[in-house]
Amino acid sequence: ETGVTQSPTHLIKTRGQQVTLRCSSQSGHNTVSWYQQALGQGPQFIFQYYREEENGRGNFPPRFSGLQFPNYSSELNVNALELDDSALYLCASSGVGERAGELFFGEGSRLTVL
Amino acid sequence: AQSVTQLGSHVSVSEGALVLLRCNYSSSVPPYLFWYVQYPNQGLQLLLKYTSAATLVKGINGFEAEFKKSETSFHLTKPSAHMSDAAEYFCAVSPQYGNKLVFGAGTILRVKS
Repeated sequence: ETGVTQSPTHLIKTRGQQVTLRCSSQSGHNTVSWYQQALGQGPQFIFQYYREEENGRGNFPPRFSGLQFPNYSSELNVNALELDDSALYLCASSGVGERAGELFFGEGSRLTVL
Repeated sequence: AQSVTQLGSHVSVSEGALVLLRCNYSSSVPPYLFWYVQYPNQGLQLLLKYTSAATLVKGINGFEAEFKKSETSFHLTKPSAHMSDAAEYFCAVSPQYGNKLVFGAGTILRVKS
């Protein structure tokens, strides 16, 4: 069973640039969620995708957008980067059946905005 | 709106001692509650979950938590700490199973030999 994988693991951008982060969900999982974890804080919910449709969104501006593909992998896009966007971005997938709703997290993509 | 408060950003225990990590939640609907653990430079791993079945929930690695509605608490315990338990622990609440988790700020557990 392949776990959740994220890429890139680390990246550095400058203010105003755009970034795309990628996530491959665990085999058999059809739901992907994205969380932002700033240094020293708990993760904050950005949004969730279920079968390619957004299925819930947290308190993040529209410059945070996402996609889910037919194979259930996902992208997080952030436009017009700000310094406060520096954080660990976590992707989590969940599936169906007995363990539906349990989130399996990847190791994250650490974004630094200069 | 839902929120989680974790009392104590850092907790230090001796190896073999009781571990108690505190979590209080606020929820306008019957909550789903979770504890996750995060090791350095890794993602989060689910320790245990409360989904309105038994109020005492057993998880992995010997951890358990008790849901107390009257106290709006979901404290995490382990009878005997091991060095490998040193990590950061997050309590989370959700109005919908597996969606929109609201996390606490985390508690870093240090285990002394």
